[in-house]
Amino acid sequence: DAKTTQPPSMDCAEGRAANLPCNHSTISGNEYVYWYRQIHSQGPQYIIHGLKNNETNEMASLIITEDRKSSTLILPHATLRDTAVYYCIVRVSGRDDKIIFGKGTRLHILP
Amino acid sequence: GAVVSQHPSRVICKSGTSVKIECRSLDFQATTMFWYRQFPKQSLMLMATSNEGSKATYEQGVEKDKFLINHASLTLSTLTVTSAHPEDSSFYICSASWTGDQPQHFGDGTRLSIL
Repeated sequence: DAKTTQPPSMDCAEGRAANLPCNHSTISGNEYVYWYRQIHSQGPQYIIHGLKNNETNEMASLIITEDRKSSTLILPHATLRDTAVYYCIVRVSGRDDKIIFGKGTRLHILP
Repeated sequence: GAVVSQHPSRVICKSGTSVKIECRSLDFQATTMFWYRQFPKQSLMLMATSNEGSKATYEQGVEKDKFLINHASLTLSTLTVTSAHPEDSSFYICSASWTGDQPQHFGDGTRLSIL
């Protein structure tokens, strides 16, 4: 079973920041938080990951709480192309470690 | 960045046909690849872990004789759906990781339709 809990859907106005929450209260000390998204009829796309510090890249920011039991993915200026299902995943950082997907959050960007 | 390529992107065939799907890591070597299946409006379900040079590890409930996986080289894994039936129609996706510190990257998927 997936180790994360996400809201099933969210709406966000185009141009505004989209904040997607994720709960992972049973995360282990060596597990990272990963975010992927899946645009319709495509394979999942990696967005960002982190262990305990906040992370930022060209796509998004990841804010992890101090107790590591939850995190928030921030898309700073959402566009229509950001409409997708977003998956929050916890796993050990290693190429042999499989990913178990939960149901994710379906993000709708509204024009 | 690391790229994972799948082929074909779409296949339509008659019931009883066996279908082979290829997953390639284009600019890196992958000792481990993963195969997923996704039904409409559902999340991705892990089917099996493909290990280069050894047998695949299947998830519970996935028939290994139905879904044959071969990982003969460090850049290629294949999934063969044997004697496919309409209930095997689905979106099949593979993934691989460049190195231990890098995230997994996914192919664009293969949409299989069995008539």
